[in-house]
Amino acid sequence: EVQLVESGGGLVQPGGSLRLSCAASGFTFSSYEMNWVRQAPGKGLEWVSYISSSGSTIYYADSVKGRFTISRDNAKNSLYLQMNSLRAEDTAVYYCARGELLDPWGQGTLVTVSS
Amino acid sequence: QSVLTQPPSASGTPGQRVTISCSGSSSNIGSNYVYWYQQLPGTAPKLLIYRNNQRPSGVPDRFSGSKSGTSASLAISGLRSEDEADYYCAAWDDSLSGPYWVFGGGTKLTVL
Repeated sequence: EVQLVESGGGLVQPGGSLRLSCAASGFTFSSYEMNWVRQAPGKGLEWVSYISSSGSTIYYADSVKGRFTISRDNAKNSLYLQMNSLRAEDTAVYYCARGELLDPWGQGTLVTVSS
Repeated sequence: QSVLTQPPSASGTPGQRVTISCSGSSSNIGSNYVYWYQQLPGTAPKLLIYRNNQRPSGVPDRFSGSKSGTSASLAISGLRSEDEADYYCAAWDDSLSGPYWVFGGGTKLTVL
């Protein structure tokens, strides 16, 4: 069964840092591009970042550029999102999603930025 | 303000046919595939339609997608109570600063 499981969310103060992880199983992780997408409470979906299967190509939304870093470890079947200089507006459920089709999605991990 | 424009709400009675529109521009829908996602309450989004009109295995043929120019639509026929959910359209956008995914603001479908 194809599965994505996010972890690493929590409560962090403004200006703080957090590292999210996404553990993949049930498919050849190294063959797929991956994305992070977030959803603020009661709001719609917002794409955050993309990484190619090899990690050589990376894109970011303007809202996180310079603050967030996406990476992956194909040997560990894992995707990461390093989030620095966090702001209140970064509060959201963060999902990882597989491939060109964004399918499937993980269950999400909640990041709350508040003092 | 989402890049793709969807109506915030839609409704229908069981058995009815409902359509949800999604409007974009030449840099996203006009030049790339459209995808639709269903988000049931309290759950993660799920792929419903890919590459404009393709259904993943397991998605009932009551769901269909279409695209024309810079607009797309999702149609749900034979509406059922379990279709009550939020629906999002999405597409890649070919911006000068690099491609990125764009989403619609979502449409909350109520089954009356």
